[in-house]
Amino acid sequence: ETGVTQTPRHLVMGMTNKKSLKCEQHLGHNAMYWYKQSAKKPLELMFVYSLEERVENNSVPSRFSPECPNSSHLFLHLHTLQPEDSALYLCASSQDLFGLAGAYYNEQFFGPGTRLTVL
Amino acid sequence: QKEVEQNSGPLSVPEGAIASLNCTYSDRGSQSFFWYRQYSGKSPELIMSIYSNGDKEDGRFTAQLNKASQYVSLLIRDSQPSDSATYLCAVNPPGGYNKLIFGAGTRLAVHP
Repeated sequence: ETGVTQTPRHLVMGMTNKKSLKCEQHLGHNAMYWYKQSAKKPLELMFVYSLEERVENNSVPSRFSPECPNSSHLFLHLHTLQPEDSALYLCASSQDLFGLAGAYYNEQFFGPGTRLTVL
Repeated sequence: QKEVEQNSGPLSVPEGAIASLNCTYSDRGSQSFFWYRQYSGKSPELIMSIYSNGDKEDGRFTAQLNKASQYVSLLIRDSQPSDSATYLCAVNPPGGYNKLIFGAGTRLAVHP
């Protein structure tokens, strides 16, 4: 496996189900992210993990629960979702670097995404 | 005011022409800028990053950054039908380590 992988690629769930999305990065990066992409809306950052610690929680409802057991794996646990949560969920990773004179490098690489449909 | 603004398009150019995509951002002091390409039904793919004022060229792509005017652009030379996609501009805001703000994207259509 190379790059960033996500499973499952497609998921249909009812509002009372509990499911989990999985992301794995094979790039040796130190940060991982969850994004949500809805139709006709910009990518929305949900969560950021840097060195396995959550550093950003972008006002995401508690029905979304992230988990980062190590620097290569990231999960998004889903429960009691709403139909409006149907979207493409994207995982990304980056190797954050601080260069000379305070320069900061943060190239993020995305996985293929999970297309989630909530019925 | 949106933090990162892009014209939604579609921008239609003939094959072989130069496609010019523009992006403006609101946070002065933003430090890193990225262009992603996203084909329909696929995930975003990083095509260019730029960190300092001026031009950066990579093959048929040139990114241009003007921090004083708060805009970043992407030029695609010799446009091909395979370049037809949505192009996303992303900005790392000041102090926003690990945080990228994305524009809504510009849809590019290259016709033969």
